[in-house]
Amino acid sequence: ETGVTQTPRHLVMGMTNKKSLKCEQHLGHNAMYWYKQSAKKPLELMFVYNFKEQTENNSVPSRFSPECPNSSHLFLHLHTLQPEDSALYLCASSQTGLAGGSSTYEQYFGPGTRLTVT
Amino acid sequence: AQKITQTQPGMFVQEKEAVTLDCTYDTSDPSYGLFWYKQPSSGEMIFLIYQGSYDQQNATEGRYSLNFQKARKSANLVISASQLGDSAMYFCAMTFHSGNTPLVFGKGTRLSVIA
Repeated sequence: ETGVTQTPRHLVMGMTNKKSLKCEQHLGHNAMYWYKQSAKKPLELMFVYNFKEQTENNSVPSRFSPECPNSSHLFLHLHTLQPEDSALYLCASSQTGLAGGSSTYEQYFGPGTRLTVT
Repeated sequence: AQKITQTQPGMFVQEKEAVTLDCTYDTSDPSYGLFWYKQPSSGEMIFLIYQGSYDQQNATEGRYSLNFQKARKSANLVISASQLGDSAMYFCAMTFHSGNTPLVFGKGTRLSVIA
């Protein structure tokens, strides 16, 4: 496997279910991210992990719980979700460094998990 | 606050023609990076091109070039010789200070290439 992988690709769950989204990066990066992409909205950052430590939680409801056991794996645990949580959830990874110079430090994205909450 | 603006919700271009997708940004930070991503219907975000705020020359990657006008705070994407496979959503994004700060995305532009 190469790049950033996400499983499952599609998920349908009821509001009382508990499920987890998985992300794995094979790029040797040290930062990982969860983004949410709802219809007709810009991508919204949810969480950032740098060297396994959570460095940002963008006011995300507690029904979303991230876990980063190592620099290569990132999980998003879901419980008691609402229909408005239906969206595409994208994972990304990057190498840390300084922006503004010739190095890119671009974020590489996985294919996403399309979540539907019924 | 940092902000990315993409004013074109949708664009059409004839196959083999060039097209420019607009992006303006707002920041007071002198150190930042600008990105363009392509998102086909499959959902994956594909990195296209990067421009650093201190780069003297406009970035180019194959058929993609970034028209960086720092004083105007614009970073337009130019796609030359459009192909049918270029039909997708295109997002402009920026990051600040360090490579582990999250990207701030614009709302995107849907490009449709017509045969």
